Amino acid sequence: DAGVIQSPRHEVTEMGQEVTLRCKLISGHNSLFWYRQTMMRGLELLIYFNNNVPIDDSGMPEDRFSAKMPNASFSTLKIQPSEPRDSAVYFCASSAIPPFLNSNQPQHFGDGTRLSIL
Amino acid sequence: AQSVTQLDSQVPVFEEAPVELRCNYSSSVSVYLFWYVQYPNQGLQLLLKYLSGSTLVKGINGFEAEFNKSQTSFHLRKPSVHISDTAEYFCAVRTGGFKTIFGAGTRLFVKA
Repeated sequence: DAGVIQSPRHEVTEMGQEVTLRCKLISGHNSLFWYRQTMMRGLELLIYFNNNVPIDDSGMPEDRFSAKMPNASFSTLKIQPSEPRDSAVYFCASSAIPPFLNSNQPQHFGDGTRLSIL
Repeated sequence: AQSVTQLDSQVPVFEEAPVELRCNYSSSVSVYLFWYVQYPNQGLQLLLKYLSGSTLVKGINGFEAEFNKSQTSFHLRKPSVHISDTAEYFCAVRTGGFKTIFGAGTRLFVKA
């Protein structure tokens, strides 16, 4: 089975531009997590969805960041306008969470998008 | 609220030597515990997980971890490391629900 697929793998753009990162979940998974990883702050959870619904977006740094799940298998993370401090590696991860919340299922990570804002 | 502390940010070790990566957690309820590994330019991969039952958990690549409830620890061990084990290792905890809390990571350097 294919794992979590992220695109693009690398993105370099100038500040002020809109950036869209994409993620395809593993088939059958119903939870989606977006993380940001930097040397200074480590791995930060930005937002997570369950069954296409955003459950907690308290980690989203600013209104410039937005995330959507237009369907059960796909998500986008958008930054508009982008700034140099947004440079990081962005990961998405998916998991199979059963209807009851007490889940022991691990998360499966994509290979990340390395974003550089000049 | 739960938290995870990885006590060492970097661990250098010679090839074929044993290694222990330390992890302590804080939670007032039962937890699920995980260790993930991240190789350069890749995402995190699950090494092993503790859900319940035996406190000694075996994972992939010869790694194992021991859950110690009284010390709230979940240390990762390998009796003999290889150069290919050089990576960053993350301890993580979940108490239920959707959210997993990750530690800051421990960078393991294996030297020839």
